Amino acid sequence: QSVLTQPPSVSGAPGQRVTISCTGSRSTIGAGYDVHWYQQRPGTAPKLLIYSNNIRPSGVPDRFSGSRSGASASLAISGLQAEDEAFYYCQSYDSNLSASGVFGTGTEVIVL
Amino acid sequence: QVQLQESGPGLVESSQTLSLTCTVSGDSISSGAFYWAWIRQFPGKGLEWIGYISFTGDTFYNPSLESRAALSIDTSKSQFSLMLSSLTAADTAIYYCAGEESYSDRRLDPWGQGILVTVSS
Repeated sequence: QSVLTQPPSVSGAPGQRVTISCTGSRSTIGAGYDVHWYQQRPGTAPKLLIYSNNIRPSGVPDRFSGSRSGASASLAISGLQAEDEAFYYCQSYDSNLSASGVFGTGTEVIVL
Repeated sequence: QVQLQESGPGLVESSQTLSLTCTVSGDSISSGAFYWAWIRQFPGKGLEWIGYISFTGDTFYNPSLESRAALSIDTSKSQFSLMLSSLTAADTAIYYCAGEESYSDRRLDPWGQGILVTVSS
């Protein structure tokens, strides 16, 4: 029941820059709600990567950056590294669901 | 540093009620810094936010699950719990507990390691 749409996969060679889009609607990102991003490696729980659209928690490399515009958001990874291979999920809230949390469909980043 | 650990059965029969517990360590469950949330991840990897409970017992549910989900908290044990009734195979998922920041942005951090729950028919 994801209401935030992400591309199924993106790929890039080491050192390259990749971006992941997160498309919402007027009731989600377009309503002004914050967007958070999570990284999930195989067999582990999601880990907070970016919060409030563009803030990195302590310990997250500055290769990761986030932005939000209108009803969409994006995550950029610059200087791609092998360890960045993982699934990435955006998260926001939905006014149609009384501001319940909603997640993106998830994107697999493949390092070539 | 707050740490979370889920516990409960890994296999539940269809139509029964699932009961999961999350134990909080590293900080007081009553600090007020967090809402205590549950999220699940389906086999196809999709994530669904179930709801949260505050340390005072206030609850907020995803409307799609509100009729079947019930959250509770026991501050004396530093635990909060999820009960999900009328289970079907569609409820098979990894269930995570997490701290949801309560002051402003509601980010989910930290997360427990997750517990796989399979609903058998």
